[in-house]
Amino acid sequence: DTAVSQTPKYLVTQMGNDKSIKCEQNLGHDTMYWYKQDSKKFLKIMFSYNNKELIINETVPNRFSPKSPDKAHLNLHINSLELGDSAVYFCASSQDPGSVDLVYSYNEQFFGPGTRLTVL
Amino acid sequence: AQKVTQAQTEISVVEKEDVTLDCVYETRDTTYYLFWYKQPPSGELVFLIRRNSFDEQNEISGRYSWNFQKSTSSFNFTITASQVVDSAVYFCALSEAVSSNDYKLSFGAGTTVTVRA
Repeated sequence: DTAVSQTPKYLVTQMGNDKSIKCEQNLGHDTMYWYKQDSKKFLKIMFSYNNKELIINETVPNRFSPKSPDKAHLNLHINSLELGDSAVYFCASSQDPGSVDLVYSYNEQFFGPGTRLTVL
Repeated sequence: AQKVTQAQTEISVVEKEDVTLDCVYETRDTTYYLFWYKQPPSGELVFLIRRNSFDEQNEISGRYSWNFQKSTSSFNFTITASQVVDSAVYFCALSEAVSSNDYKLSFGAGTTVTVRA
């Protein structure tokens, strides 16, 4: 059973094209994320959704548009692909933080296998 | 601003040697969480441990151990008796609250560990 799945695993496309990456989690988590890992392995968050609502939107070009049809899915659509978009994109999910006396317990994020996007 | 520093870019050891990965962090949050993730050559990110800022007890899990020192803002990771399967990139990460109900992870640059047979 795959907890967090992404499709496709590899995506090779031409500059200027529009493409989508799909992500699904079967963990019952409320929060989902998209990360970008560049060629130097640096991981940076792009977006976060909680129960279909956008929570985090880092400085990401408008060409990137996340869409969450339900809380188990968070898809990433990219318009007008550029060479610099080449990277590995990871989807992740986590359970909402629990709280005891207003001290939040942030839970670990579980990552999908990644989608390697190559823009030619 | 949050910051996670993994000063070691690459570490190469021979099998059965111990290896310690350093992680130093900066935060103004009084409550925060630290994480370690492993990324083997196959590319997936595997969660290893979560530690909150109030719990400074060291933790051991098999050949893995973690040393959290709040006084020096460090959360170091040791692999004892390393094996070839431990070869991977290891990431330290720090939670940053973005609202009362959500957070994001700031990752260090990663340390590539190569264990030679």
